[in-house]
Amino acid sequence: DGGITQSPKYLFRKEGQNVTLSCEQNLNHDAMYWYRQDPGQGLRLIYYSQIVNDFQKGDIAEGYSVSREKKESFPLTVTSAQKNPTAFYLCASSTPGTRWEIQPQHFGDGTRLSIL
Amino acid sequence: SQQGEEDPQALSIQEGENATMNCSYKTSINNLQWYRQNSGRGLVHLILIRSNEREKHSGRLRVTLDTSKKSSSLLITASRAADTASYFCATDAGQNFVFGPGTRLSVLP
Repeated sequence: DGGITQSPKYLFRKEGQNVTLSCEQNLNHDAMYWYRQDPGQGLRLIYYSQIVNDFQKGDIAEGYSVSREKKESFPLTVTSAQKNPTAFYLCASSTPGTRWEIQPQHFGDGTRLSIL
Repeated sequence: SQQGEEDPQALSIQEGENATMNCSYKTSINNLQWYRQNSGRGLVHLILIRSNEREKHSGRLRVTLDTSKKSSSLLITASRAADTASYFCATDAGQNFVFGPGTRLSVLP
């Protein structure tokens, strides 16, 4: 079955440590996204990528970094510069939109990151 | 402030009843989408309605869009316990979506 796989499901970070969240998709989608969700809140966009080897900052990119070396993979690194990283992180993918329409997004089941 | 905001924040109904939740947004849109999120899971796309459409149906779901009022509503008919989830509207803002804070729906058996 096609879908998006995020790993790990739970992750703990120590102070001063960088951690990387994995996101893999086999939907052959060009566009991929990372969102952060805090309790009782909507999703906030961290980074997005419309094509391999290219990505753009979203609304809350500070303290995060990404790479897009393969179409299938879009890992997110939460750096030590992100002072409040505790949240639920969601990865999504979609076919490319146009200037007139954003396509529906397919989501993984998330990674819950906590601070030790 | 949010581009899209759902109302109410939380809704509790009995199984078999209808559930209605609303989404208001601030700027013009090309399309509006509704998503469902079960607790601890990712979002699932439910329905997309374009700015030139007024109503769409998908199974027990009915979505309306009023661009003059910048609002949309999602109606779930004959609700089931399995409909218990958070529901989000997403509006396009340039190249990406803006998600509202969601409506938490509880369907009691």
